[in-house]
Amino acid sequence: DAGVTQSPTHLIKTRGQQVTLRCSPKSGHDTVSWYQQALGQGPQFIFQYYEEEERQRGNFPDRFSGHQFPNYSSELNVNALLLGDSALYLCASSALDRSQETQYFGPGTRLLVL
Amino acid sequence: AQSVAQPEDQVNVAEGNPLTVKCTYSVSGNPYLFWYVQYPNRGLQFLLKYITGDNLVKGSYGFEAEFNKSQTSFHLKKPSALVSDSALYFCAVRDRGWSSASKIIFGSGTRLSIRP
Repeated sequence: DAGVTQSPTHLIKTRGQQVTLRCSPKSGHDTVSWYQQALGQGPQFIFQYYEEEERQRGNFPDRFSGHQFPNYSSELNVNALLLGDSALYLCASSALDRSQETQYFGPGTRLLVL
Repeated sequence: AQSVAQPEDQVNVAEGNPLTVKCTYSVSGNPYLFWYVQYPNRGLQFLLKYITGDNLVKGSYGFEAEFNKSQTSFHLKKPSALVSDSALYFCAVRDRGWSSASKIIFGSGTRLSIRP
């Protein structure tokens, strides 16, 4: 049973560019959440997708957007990249129909903005 | 608003000794509490959770955590530390959002270092 997978593992971009990160949830999971983890800090919630809709959003600007596909996989898009967007981006999946669900995390995508 | 605090940036323990990583929380209603571990250049790995029931929760790799409602704490413990336990540990609380699949709010992390 594959866990949560993310691609790519590493990415280097320059300021102003756009980036797309991808996530495939754990088998049987239908909800995907994205987190940003800056160096030396705990992960910060960006947003969550269920049934192809954004259900919750953290304190991130509109430059951060996402999408969920019918197969439950998800993308995180960041436009107009800033140096401060350099971080580890983590995807977590869970199953909505379990009242005591646990979010399982992927290995992350490390983004460096130059 | 829900929040967690990890008062120690780093905890140093000799191998074979017991370890404790501290966490306090602030929630409205019943807390859903978690511990995750992060190894270098890796994602977060689930260790254990408290939802309801026994105050002592057992998790992966011999770790356990004690929920203390009166002290609003959820400290992570292990009776005998291993060098391989050296990693970054995060305490977290699940927000009371729109559904059970709500966002996780993380503490700032505690780096655990086990010396041989």
